Amino acid sequence: KAGVTQTPRYLIKTRGQQVTLSCSPISGHRSVSWYQQTPGQGLQFLFEYFSETQRNKGNFPGRFSGRQFSNSRSEMNVSTLELGDSALYLCASSWDRAGELFFGEGSRLTVL
Amino acid sequence: QKEVEQNSGPLSVPEGAIASLNCTYSDRGSQSFFWYRQYSGKSPELIMFIYSNGDKEDGRFTAQLNKASQYVSLLIRDSQPSDSATYLCAVQTGTYKYIFGTGTRLKV
Repeated sequence: KAGVTQTPRYLIKTRGQQVTLSCSPISGHRSVSWYQQTPGQGLQFLFEYFSETQRNKGNFPGRFSGRQFSNSRSEMNVSTLELGDSALYLCASSWDRAGELFFGEGSRLTVL
Repeated sequence: QKEVEQNSGPLSVPEGAIASLNCTYSDRGSQSFFWYRQYSGKSPELIMFIYSNGDKEDGRFTAQLNKASQYVSLLIRDSQPSDSATYLCAVQTGTYKYIFGTGTRLKV
């Protein structure tokens, strides 16, 4: 059974640019959530999608957005990048809103 | 007050000893509690989950939950060098949001 797949794994952007990250959940999993991980703040919740609907949202500015497609694949977008957006972005999937989260390997974003 | 608090460590224990990792949470409506292990450069993986007050054992790992004290812990018996990692406590709140602590770094 394939795990959670995130692309790209690494990317470098400059301030002001935008970035789109992709996540393919484990087959059959309907919930996809996104997290930002930095050394100082740990894992911070961005948002969670289920059946193409955002069900939960963390305390991030509107520059951070996401969506989920009918095949459960999800994308997140960060516009007008800032230096502080440099982080590891982790996607996790689960069967439903409760239970174990399965994480992808993450997308490491560096903003210069 | 942070929603989920953990001592960042590092917690150093000798090989074969018991490692005790602790976590407190603020939302009394929290329903489910998880411990994830994260090796350096890797993504988190689930170690244990616990929903009810008391202890839950799985091999060398024991999770303990005390909802009245809003406290959850993870005990690792017979600690091995391969247990050296960062351990993340995660709490699922009443609104189904997962909140993670900043993690405790364990060195064996």
